[in-house]
Amino acid sequence: QVQLQESGPGLVKPSGTLSLTCAVSGGSISSTNWWSWVRQPPGKGLEWIGKIYHSGNTNYNPSLKSRVTISVDKSKNLFSLNLTSVTAADTAVYYCARGAGGNPFGGVFGAWGQGTLVTVSS
Amino acid sequence: DIVMTQSPLSLPVSPGEPASISCRSSQSLLYSNGYNYLDWYLQKPGQSPQLLIHLGSNRASGVPDRFSGSGSGTDFTLKISRVEAEDVGVYYCMQAVQIPLTFGQGTRLDIK
Repeated sequence: QVQLQESGPGLVKPSGTLSLTCAVSGGSISSTNWWSWVRQPPGKGLEWIGKIYHSGNTNYNPSLKSRVTISVDKSKNLFSLNLTSVTAADTAVYYCARGAGGNPFGGVFGAWGQGTLVTVSS
Repeated sequence: DIVMTQSPLSLPVSPGEPASISCRSSQSLLYSNGYNYLDWYLQKPGQSPQLLIHLGSNRASGVPDRFSGSGSGTDFTLKISRVEAEDVGVYYCMQAVQIPLTFGQGTRLDIK
C-alpha cells in the first residue's frame, strides 16, 4: 500500500520560499498516477495547488501559478513543492496526495500524506 | 474556475439516522466519456482527508456501504443511510474535470 510523507521546514519567513518534499513508499512515482499538492489554512477548507506526472508534465492552480513549481525526482521516488514570495496567507497544512492511476485529470486522491504545517512568520 | 457549492454547511445528525449532503457545480462535471469527475472526501478531526466516493457514485475501497453517491452534470448528493459516531468530520466534494481542481466549502457533520 502506497504511503506518502511530507517533510520540510515548519517556519518560513515572509518573502521567502516554502520548500517541501513528498516521499513515496510502497509504490513507484513512475506509475500511471498524477501527484498533487493540496493545502488547508488553519480552520479553513482545502485548496488544490498543482500536480505533476512522472514525465515532468505539470498543472498549477492559476491563483498560485506565478509562484509555484512542482518537480519530481524519480531516482529518489519523491516529488517537491516550491512556493516563492510567501506571505502569512500561505500559512497552512500542506498535503501531498496521489491521484488514481490512469485517471486523465489527476483526481481521485486515494492516498494522502499526514500533512505538514508551514507557518509564515518573521 | 468551477465553483463547488455544498449544502448544508453544518449537519447535526442522531446516530442511526440518515444524512444527505448536496454539492452543486457551476459547470457540468460530465465528461465526454460518460463519467462525472466528482469525488467525495471525509476529513475526520485531526486527520488527512480520505476518499469516500469517486466518479460521482463509486465507493472507494474499504468504504462502508452505508455511504452512497449519486448525481450527474452539476448536481450531486452524498448519502449516509445510518450515521455512526465514526462518521463525524468535514465532508468535501471536489471536481476534477477542469484545472484548477476545486473543492466545496465543506460540510461539518456532528452527532446530536
